[in-house]
Amino acid sequence: AQRVTQPEKLLSVFKGAPVELKCNYSYSGSPELFWYVQYSRQRLQLLLRHISRESIKGFTADLNKGETSFHLKKPFAQEEDSAMYYCALRKYAGGTSYGKLTFGQGTILTVHP
Amino acid sequence: DTGVSQDPRHKITKRGQNVTFRCDPISEHNRLYWYRQTLGQGPEFLTYFQNEAQLEKSRLLSDRFSAERPKGSFSTLEIQRTEQGDSAMYLCASSLGDRGLAETQYFGPGTRLLVL
Repeated sequence: AQRVTQPEKLLSVFKGAPVELKCNYSYSGSPELFWYVQYSRQRLQLLLRHISRESIKGFTADLNKGETSFHLKKPFAQEEDSAMYYCALRKYAGGTSYGKLTFGQGTILTVHP
Repeated sequence: DTGVSQDPRHKITKRGQNVTFRCDPISEHNRLYWYRQTLGQGPEFLTYFQNEAQLEKSRLLSDRFSAERPKGSFSTLEIQRTEQGDSAMYLCASSLGDRGLAETQYFGPGTRLLVL
């Protein structure tokens, strides 16, 4: 069975500081990895996915299959980045996407002015 | 608002009562998912539909839970004989699947259930 672990429940940084939200996963096959974000009073929304290899709102994440990690990074945190962040995994095999997402417990990021 | 909608947004019920939640997906999205989220945890998968077919159910979904998507559009999630442990946020998501790696799940605002 697949599992996603986010070791930090809370993470606080000051504005302008680098931030890294950790995500580790266990899955024997080929995973798709995602970061979802939930801002205060808003719904859960996709931030980025490993396959896109893009930077969204200054955030990047690299899939490291050797370390089974998908850490989310931003070089200069902004106050508006304060939110709950969830790492999620989905199975992908043989051209078929297995739709359900397996989420980590989430990390609350607070960026202080 | 053309996003996923859920109704009601909040529900308070007494233990033993039945409750039903509704989810309206984004138009033309053929996949619909239900998740449950308890305090301090990430969302946990319950079940999903492709059109009207229920393709997978989690072991979390006891026989008191039933979900339907009769015409492949909106879906309902019913909990019979509610227990205090059912108190949670129930999230619905929809997607245009199967688009392989391009599938994105869009989440609704959730229904918060409190069982007294």
